[in-house]
Amino acid sequence: GAVVSQHPSRVICKSGTSVKIECRSLDFQATTMFWYRQFPKQSLMLMATSNEGSKATYEQGVEKDKFLINHASLTLSTLTVTSAHPEDSSFYICSADLAGGGETQYFGPGTRLLVL
Amino acid sequence: AQSVTQPDIHITVSEGASLELRCNYSYGATPYLFWYVQSPGQGLQLLLKYFSGDTLVQGIKGFEAEFKRSQSSFNLRKPSVHWSDAAEYFCAVGGGKLVFGAGTILRVKS
Repeated sequence: GAVVSQHPSRVICKSGTSVKIECRSLDFQATTMFWYRQFPKQSLMLMATSNEGSKATYEQGVEKDKFLINHASLTLSTLTVTSAHPEDSSFYICSADLAGGGETQYFGPGTRLLVL
Repeated sequence: AQSVTQPDIHITVSEGASLELRCNYSYGATPYLFWYVQSPGQGLQLLLKYFSGDTLVQGIKGFEAEFKRSQSSFNLRKPSVHWSDAAEYFCAVGGGKLVFGAGTILRVKS
């Protein structure tokens, strides 16, 4: 149980285009999902907290107009990287909160984004 | 502010040897503490977590961790390492948002 999927697993796009990444909780409902970014050989950095039916909460330094988050249902959150640039290339990981307090997060397998 | 320090970037142990990965944290209240494992190109898998109660917690794959409040530590241990344990290990602290340490890469020698 408590499986989280991400799609796509990897994507290559041209600079200036937009890319959408989906995060789904497959066997549970998640009011809250989290989006993290991981640079090579570094730790995960929280980008934003996604709450179903409301606006996402972004961490300091994360551009909300560049990283659009939509949490339209209890099982799906999407991250859209708009006007992507090479510096946006990274590993993006989502998590879904099972219990509602943020303490029980189950992570997706991640999405590798490469912007050329 | 919350922070997590994993002092060891890399650790190499022989298969069958014991393992201890260090984690120190800074947190303003009683922390929720976690250890995750990440294989290359994969997401994170929860090994174990501490919320309250017994300070020695058991996790999956034979791992355990001990919460020591006086030392602000939550070290991960395993008595006998298997080659399949080679991965990167992250310690995290949080009560809502998770703050991760920089990770420790474990290599296992056969």
